[in-house]
Amino acid sequence: SQQGEEDPQALSIQEGENATMNCSYKTSINNLQWYRQNSGRGLVHLILIRSNEREKHSGRLRVTLDTSKKSSSLLITASRAADTASYFCATQGTTQGGSEKLVFGKGTKLTVNP
Amino acid sequence: DAGITQSPRYKITETGRQVTLMCHQTWSHSYMFWYRQDLGHGLRLIYYSAAADITDKGEVPDGYVVSRSKTENFPLTLESATRSQTSVYFCASRRTSGPTSTDTQYFGPGTRLTVL
Repeated sequence: SQQGEEDPQALSIQEGENATMNCSYKTSINNLQWYRQNSGRGLVHLILIRSNEREKHSGRLRVTLDTSKKSSSLLITASRAADTASYFCATQGTTQGGSEKLVFGKGTKLTVNP
Repeated sequence: DAGITQSPRYKITETGRQVTLMCHQTWSHSYMFWYRQDLGHGLRLIYYSAAADITDKGEVPDGYVVSRSKTENFPLTLESATRSQTSVYFCASRRTSGPTSTDTQYFGPGTRLTVL
């Protein structure tokens, strides 16, 4: 399975601090995506990084990808209480059949305290 | 409204009953997906569909049936509900796919199903 595994499972920080979440996966990927899920809601796409990219930015989000280590990290800078949510990484495979769907990790639950 | 919707949002049923969860998207996306979300397991893919009349199994298909007669609808049926199917179910859609696609998935709000 190429399932991503997030680390840590839970993270609690103060408002204004940075939050870093990590994701590891097992097989070759076409791209890796991060999603956010607020309590009781569906997932919302945050950012996508292709396998030939090493770093990507979007507002306060910074994603890195190390394909040699099969790992990615999501950094949220200057966190806000509204960033409190669960964050999931998802990988898209390269093989026929594997590229049609995303495989999600179990998520990191982030709590940002005011 | 445009987007992806699910109905019902909450459902309580009894063991052995048939239940159908509805999913509707207004974008004419080719791909649609059904996931279940359980504590400790994250999101697991049940079934997906590449186009109307084309469906395929995901990671946990047992006990579920899907159909896709129209592009915009992708209902999920639990033929004989069991307590282990108590979960939150999410539908998602995606414009295209394939090795060169970087399309993302758009999720519905979810259906919370309880099987007593």
